[in-house]
Amino acid sequence: AQSVSQHNHHVILSEAASLELGCNYSYGGTVNLFWYVQYPGQHLQLLLKYFSGDPLVKGIKGFEAEFIKSKFSFNLRKPSVQWSDTAEYFCASRGYGGSQGNLIFGKGTKLSVKP
Amino acid sequence: DGGITQSPKYLFRKEGQNVTLSCEQNLNHDAMYWYRQDPGQGLRLIYYSQIVNDFQKGDIAEGYSVSREKKESFPLTVTSAQKNPTAFYLCASSGIGGAAVSNQPQHFGDGTRLSIL
Repeated sequence: AQSVSQHNHHVILSEAASLELGCNYSYGGTVNLFWYVQYPGQHLQLLLKYFSGDPLVKGIKGFEAEFIKSKFSFNLRKPSVQWSDTAEYFCASRGYGGSQGNLIFGKGTKLSVKP
Repeated sequence: DGGITQSPKYLFRKEGQNVTLSCEQNLNHDAMYWYRQDPGQGLRLIYYSQIVNDFQKGDIAEGYSVSREKKESFPLTVTSAQKNPTAFYLCASSGIGGAAVSNQPQHFGDGTRLSIL
């Protein structure tokens, strides 16, 4: 079965620090990858997505992610975090296998940014 | 505005009672999904539907039921058979392209928090 692993359960950073959240997926075939963000009290929002082409994907609010096929990874990065980035971040994959169309989510990483 | 509406925002269930969570979308999306979110567990798929009058079980379908009589609506019933129903329930929808597999992201509602009295 496909799975998505997020390495960190809770990350605490100070403002202006650089961020990298790890994400690994298990499916070896063609895969679509997503990062979603859930701000406190708000619904899940799409941050960025990778389907094909340039493995470095830029999303909203200065976030980017790099797809590294050889490492089965899709890590999320931001050079300088702000207090407003405090949220929970979910990595998700969609494989072209038996569960076509469905997203497999990681368990999430909670990011707390100290002002 | 187009979007997904989940109701109610908070719901309380007595032991042995069935409850139904509503999910409506006006995005003209073909596919709809129900997830359960527990702390530290991420999102787990309960049921999904890619077309009206058809739905499939997800990873944790036991104790839940759904219907898809209209494209816009995908209600979830939490039955008394679900022994641990206290959770945050999220509904999502996505479009489906020409192929069977959609490469479109899912859009999420604001969720319903279910608690047991």
